[in-house]
Amino acid sequence: EAGVVQSPRYKIIEKKQPVAFWCNPISGHNTLYWYLQNLGQGPELLIRYENEEAVDDSQLPKDRFSAERLKGVDSTLKIQPAELGDSAVYLCASSLPQWAGGDDTQYFGPGTRLTVL
Amino acid sequence: SQQGEEDPQALSIQEGENATMNCSYKTSINNLQWYRQNSGRGLVHLILIRSNEREKHSGRLRVTLDTSKKSSSLLITASRAADTASYFCATGYNYGQNFVFGPGTRLSVLP
Repeated sequence: EAGVVQSPRYKIIEKKQPVAFWCNPISGHNTLYWYLQNLGQGPELLIRYENEEAVDDSQLPKDRFSAERLKGVDSTLKIQPAELGDSAVYLCASSLPQWAGGDDTQYFGPGTRLTVL
Repeated sequence: SQQGEEDPQALSIQEGENATMNCSYKTSINNLQWYRQNSGRGLVHLILIRSNEREKHSGRLRVTLDTSKKSSSLLITASRAADTASYFCATGYNYGQNFVFGPGTRLSVLP
């Protein structure tokens, strides 16, 4: 079974530029998460999707961040414009909830390391 | 805050010794998951323990959960240099669908 796929793995941009990250979850997983991880810290949730619906986006800075999960499979996270403080690793994870026959385990992708200059 | 908090922040042991990391949280949870992260890599799932479970094992790993004390522990027995990594606990709430991660414990296993 293929794991969670993310691209690109690394991205270097100048401040005020836009950037987008892509995630392909494990096949059949209803739930998809985007996290931000700063160096030496644990992941922080940005947004959670149940199929195509964003059910928790309370931590997403909506003035510059946006996300979508069309057709309830792949997802894209966008930042426009990027700021210096956005430099971090952006992680995508997916899970199959118990109510859908899974066990709630989250599986993470390798992440995208963003550097904003 | 419902954040899990790992303790200690850093741990250094010799190969062959056991390593114990603790996680404390503040509100009721549905489940708790432990993850490992090697430097510069993604998070690898280790064990999920549900609120009605007290102990789970996986190979050299043993996880306990004490809901009365709102704490969990991860024990790695007979540690190896390859166990060097950061370990995170993630507390699951909202029917086990939302997770909050702690800052992690950085484990160094010296050969």
